[in-house]
Amino acid sequence: EPEVTQTPSHQVTQMGQEVILRCVPISNHLYFYWYRQILGQKVEFLVSFYNNEISEKSEIFDDQFSVERPDGSNFTLKIRSTKLEDSAMYFCASMGQMNTEAFFGQGTRLTVV
Amino acid sequence: RKEVEQDPGPFNVPEGATVAFNCTYSNSASQSFFWYRQDCRKEPKLLMSVYSSGNEDGRFTAQLNRASQYISLLIRDSKLSDSATYLCVVNSGGSYIPTFGRGTSLIVHP
Repeated sequence: EPEVTQTPSHQVTQMGQEVILRCVPISNHLYFYWYRQILGQKVEFLVSFYNNEISEKSEIFDDQFSVERPDGSNFTLKIRSTKLEDSAMYFCASMGQMNTEAFFGQGTRLTVV
Repeated sequence: RKEVEQDPGPFNVPEGATVAFNCTYSNSASQSFFWYRQDCRKEPKLLMSVYSSGNEDGRFTAQLNRASQYISLLIRDSKLSDSATYLCVVNSGGSYIPTFGRGTSLIVHP
């Protein structure tokens, strides 16, 4: 069964450092998303990506964040200068057709110290 | 983005019980609705889509009421393995972004 894969599963970084979270969406999917979930809180939308550009982003997705699809398979989220409050689970998701179900990767747990 | 609202629970029920969760959404233009299940510190996994006519998958039944803008999930004959957080997801906005409720926690005990 096709699945979304994310690496690493857990990353610890020092405050102020840059991190790159990686995702390989399901191969024939067209719509890609990043979400975060702070421990004990709801899953929050960060950004959506379609046709090699950002289609929508939330107020959380400020200038510290960027996304890229550098090749045909990877989809990355970069946080330029991490803050303590960036500590969370980050989920990547992909969707085959617009307005259908999204499939989620297993997540990257980011811990900023 | 408009909200999706759920009672966080927890719902604490014995094995074999029937339990129902509701979810309300505020964007009347929403067109796709889903229930996901999330186990502790894991990713959300699709449980079932929700259709206007209602749909059933084994012990799980989902219904949509567009007029009142709510969806429901009924679990019959609860199992210990049903213990999880159930997430209501509505595809909202012009780009139909999957938007999550905060989830309802279910604990099934022996």
